Amino acid sequence: AAGVIQSPRHLIKEKRETATLKCYPIPRHDTVYWYQQGPGQDPQFLISFYEKMQSDKGSIPDRFSAQQFSDYHSELNMSSLELGDSALYFCASSPGQGAYEQYFGPGTRLTVT
Amino acid sequence: DAKTTQPNSMESNEEEPVHLPCNHSTISGTDYIHWYRQLPSQGPEYVIHGLTSNVNNRMASLAIAEDRKSSTLILHRATLRDAAVYYCILRVHSGAGSYQLTFGKGTKLSVIP
Repeated sequence: AAGVIQSPRHLIKEKRETATLKCYPIPRHDTVYWYQQGPGQDPQFLISFYEKMQSDKGSIPDRFSAQQFSDYHSELNMSSLELGDSALYFCASSPGQGAYEQYFGPGTRLTVT
Repeated sequence: DAKTTQPNSMESNEEEPVHLPCNHSTISGTDYIHWYRQLPSQGPEYVIHGLTSNVNNRMASLAIAEDRKSSTLILHRATLRDAAVYYCILRVHSGAGSYQLTFGKGTKLSVIP
């Protein structure tokens, strides 16, 4: 069965650079969630989209922005990167906001040097 | 937000049952009880969810206290592949409220061969 695809899987950036993470949800899933997991930490919700509109916002820094496109894929844009942004970034998708299950991708590991 | 409390860690012998407890004394009537797990270096994975009645699926069973203030995830025969961090999460599925997953500390389950 198709799963959530995230690209790239690994990304190394320097401080103050920008990064773009991509998420391709499972076909026919219209809801996307972004989570950040720092080293040794638990996943923290960043932002979500339903039918291409932002539906909820968590602890996402102002330096970050995201959107969901007409084909339902989503991109997380991160600017002025800081060392503390080094983390695993997970995308999850679901068929509707209230769906019982969220299906997670393998994550993108971002390292800021 | 309603919070959950779980033991930091638990151990189990391989092929024995495991009971993972979760306390959620401030649960509201619209909160569903979800369990996710995260294997090392992977994204979280849905395990099971329930509202009031006990639930079974191919992965596990969920036993919910009558007052809903606690629940227990039951793995009937632990395998080495079940070694993971298990998260108990409260989540609404309709109406007002946020649909993201709020991860707490979770229980790190170790399985001994």
